[in-house]
Amino acid sequence: AQKVTQAQTEISVVEKEDVTLDCVYETRDTTYYLFWYKQPPSGELVFLIRRNSFDEQNEISGRYSWNFQKSTSSFNFTITASQVVDSAVYFCALSARFTNAGGTSYGKLTFGQGTILTVHP
Amino acid sequence: DAGVIQSPRHEVTEMGQEVTLRCKPISGHNSLFWYRQTMMRGLELLIYFNNNVPIDDSGMPEDRFSAKMPNASFSTLKIQPSEPRDSAVYFCASSLYKGYEQYFGPGTRLTVT
Repeated sequence: AQKVTQAQTEISVVEKEDVTLDCVYETRDTTYYLFWYKQPPSGELVFLIRRNSFDEQNEISGRYSWNFQKSTSSFNFTITASQVVDSAVYFCALSARFTNAGGTSYGKLTFGQGTILTVHP
Repeated sequence: DAGVIQSPRHEVTEMGQEVTLRCKPISGHNSLFWYRQTMMRGLELLIYFNNNVPIDDSGMPEDRFSAKMPNASFSTLKIQPSEPRDSAVYFCASSLYKGYEQYFGPGTRLTVT
């Protein structure tokens, strides 16, 4: 079974602070995919990044960076110099092999419970 | 390009009524997913299709829920009869390939009174 844990329920920071959102996952598979999604107050879910289990290289996109460490089963997300527009719920998700009578697939996403980030001006 | 399209955006209905939610995936995507989001249970996968074929419906709460994908560009999620505990935001998502990122629609906020 797959599991994603986002231990931080809520984080509150002041604008320009750096903030790291933690994500720990569990899976027995050696091939899997990790994702981060953002859900702003408007409600839509916005894809941020996908990482596969064979690529541990960290990634940076503007003020966003992700740290993937297989040794600790973690895929943490850091926002540098946070802004009010970063206020949202952030979800970490895992896609691992799923097998049933229909065969094997990687389509099933398991989401963490989400971290509510509030950035104050 | 248009994203995932869902309709209606909001639905208010009375207990016992039939509710049909609609989804048009991104053109060319071959996987489609239906999720439900509530405060208590978070995001739950209800069912997903690959090439129009249901692959996993283990998340469908009960027989009152059914989903179809008659072609690559359209899917429905039906609740009959609806109950107040079905009140939630229902999201449809599509992906180009299983395991790749899923793109979500804006969601349908369902309220059953």
